[in-house]
Amino acid sequence: EPEVTQTPSHQVTQMGQEVILRCVPISNHLYFYWYRQILGQKVEFLVSFYNNEISEKSEIFDDQFSVERPDGSNFTLKIRSTKLEDSAMYFCASSAFNEQYFGPGTRLTVT
Amino acid sequence: AQSVTQPDIHITVSEGASLELRCNYSYGATPYLFWYVQSPGQGLQLLLKYFSGDTLVQGIKGFEAEFKRSQSSFNLRKPSVHWSDAAEYFCAVGASGNTPLVFGKGTRLSVIA
Repeated sequence: EPEVTQTPSHQVTQMGQEVILRCVPISNHLYFYWYRQILGQKVEFLVSFYNNEISEKSEIFDDQFSVERPDGSNFTLKIRSTKLEDSAMYFCASSAFNEQYFGPGTRLTVT
Repeated sequence: AQSVTQPDIHITVSEGASLELRCNYSYGATPYLFWYVQSPGQGLQLLLKYFSGDTLVQGIKGFEAEFKRSQSSFNLRKPSVHWSDAAEYFCAVGASGNTPLVFGKGTRLSVIA
């Protein structure tokens, strides 16, 4: 069964460093998303991507964040200068036929 | 603005007992509603969805949910819980399944023998 994959599973970085989180969506899906879940809190939408451009973004997704689909398979989230409050689980999702499928997540720890 | 309320933070049920997890939503139009399950250290797995038609929808793992427009609710049920159902359950709402979802805070389910 096709699934969304994410790498790495856990990333530790120092405050101020850049990180890139990677995702491989399900191959025939056209809509892509990033969500995050701070420990103990709800899952929050960050950004959606369709037709090679951002379709929606939340207020969390400020200038420190960017997304890219560099090739036909990968979908990346870049945080330019990480802050302590960026520590969270980041989920990638993709959708088709009105069903979003989530990856296993990348746990980002900013020290 | 869209919002989802899951009133129960933590529920404990005995194995074999029935289960109902509550979800109330606020949405201006006809919503797309979803239930996801998250096992420890895992991603979110889609259990079921509703957007039109029969208000009682069946999902995977023996779960079902009932949409009640008058109560703005979409409660998840299972007639007989198994120990492997212990997990966190999230209700979500969206304009469609291809648009951003708004999640509730989740309900943690514990199953005891």
